[in-house]
Formats: sequence, C-alpha cells, structure tokens
Amino acid sequence: AQSVTQLDSHVSVSEGTPVLLRCNYSSSYSPSLFWYVQHPNKGLQLLLKYTSAATLVKGINGFEAEFKKSETSFHLTKPSAHMSDAAEYFCVVSEGRGTASKLTFGTGTRLQVTL
Amino acid sequence: DTAVSQTPKYLVTQMGNDKSIKCEQNLGHDTMYWYKQDSKKFLKIMFSYNNKELIINETVPNRFSPKSPDKAHLNLHINSLELGDSAVYFCASSQDEGGRTNQPQHFGDGTRLSIL
Repeated sequence: AQSVTQLDSHVSVSEGTPVLLRCNYSSSYSPSLFWYVQHPNKGLQLLLKYTSAATLVKGINGFEAEFKKSETSFHLTKPSAHMSDAAEYFCVVSEGRGTASKLTFGTGTRLQVTL
Repeated sequence: DTAVSQTPKYLVTQMGNDKSIKCEQNLGHDTMYWYKQDSKKFLKIMFSYNNKELIINETVPNRFSPKSPDKAHLNLHINSLELGDSAVYFCASSQDEGGRTNQPQHFGDGTRLSIL
C-alpha cells in the first residue's frame, strides 16, 4: 500500500522568506506525486505533479518540488512567501486503478505567512 | 465558468434524514470522484466512476449510494444520516482513460454537511 507523510502539521514563515513543506512517500513502484493547495472554504487546487519525467518539477505561483528517490521525499519549496500563500497544503500519491486513480492524501500542512 | 460544481454548498439536517448532493463537471472528463474531508482536514476517497461505471468503492457504509446518470454527473445520496457523517464532501473529476491514469484531479468547492 502506498502512503505519504507530511512531517509538519503547521509551518509559519515571514513574508518574503523561503518556504519548505516536507513530504515523504512510500510506494512499491514508481509513484505519481502531487501537491495540492486548499484555501479556506475552497476545493483543492493542483500546484504541481511528478510523473517520472524531470525530478525537479515547477508548479504554479512560484512553487516547485524535487523528487528524490533515494530519500523517498517530495518536498515543496518557494523562494519567497507571499501573504496569499497562506493555506493548507496536501502531498498526494496516486495509484492507477484501471480507468481511475486512487489518491492517498497526507495529513496536510497549514502554512501561515506573517508580515 | 465553474469546472466542477457541487450543490448545495451547505447542508444542515437532522439525524436519520436522507439527503443528496449533486455534482456536475463541464470539463469533458470521463472519471469522477467523491471524497470526504473530516474535521481534522483529512481527505479520503469514497467512490470513483468512469463513464457511469463504478471503479473505486472504498469501505463506505452502504447508506452512501453514488449515482451517475451520465459521465458529466455524479450524485451522492446518503440514507439515515448519522452524526459521524458531518464533514465536507468534495467532488472531483479527471481524464483517466486509455491506460493514462494518475492524471490531475479537478475539485469542486465542497459541500459542508452538518448533522444536528
């Protein structure tokens, strides 16, 4: 069975400083990994995805993530935080099931951005 | 244009009632999903349909019955509502077909269900 572990339930950064949200995965084969963001009272929005192409993945809003197989990690980073980045972030591993995909979510990391 | 839309946005009802949540997507996707997000924000898949066929059914009480009249709609009917059903329910869709799975999923804004 596959799983993801988000190591921090809450991260607080100052505006303009770097963001690091950590994620480790467990999968018996080459995984498909995603980061989604959820703003208050909203659905989930895709930030970026890794599907066995380049190991450094660039996403929307300046976010990127690096797939490291040796460390089974897929950490999300951004060079400079903005107030609008404050939200809940989910690391997700996907498993293909015929004509559908089963997503397994991490427990989420709440990002707080302060002035 | 809303890609994945759910109705209602809020649903407050009493224990024992039966209720339905509707979901529609205008993305032309073949696969649709229902997820439950609990009070600790943990998300778990419930069901998935591809072109009206049930693909994923994850240990969900049989009080929950999904219905897909066509590939653009996936509704969720819940019988005999219980306190533990209080959660946010999200609908999603993706274009998983022809062996190309693990495609990004597009989510609706959720339906907040509160059981009194």
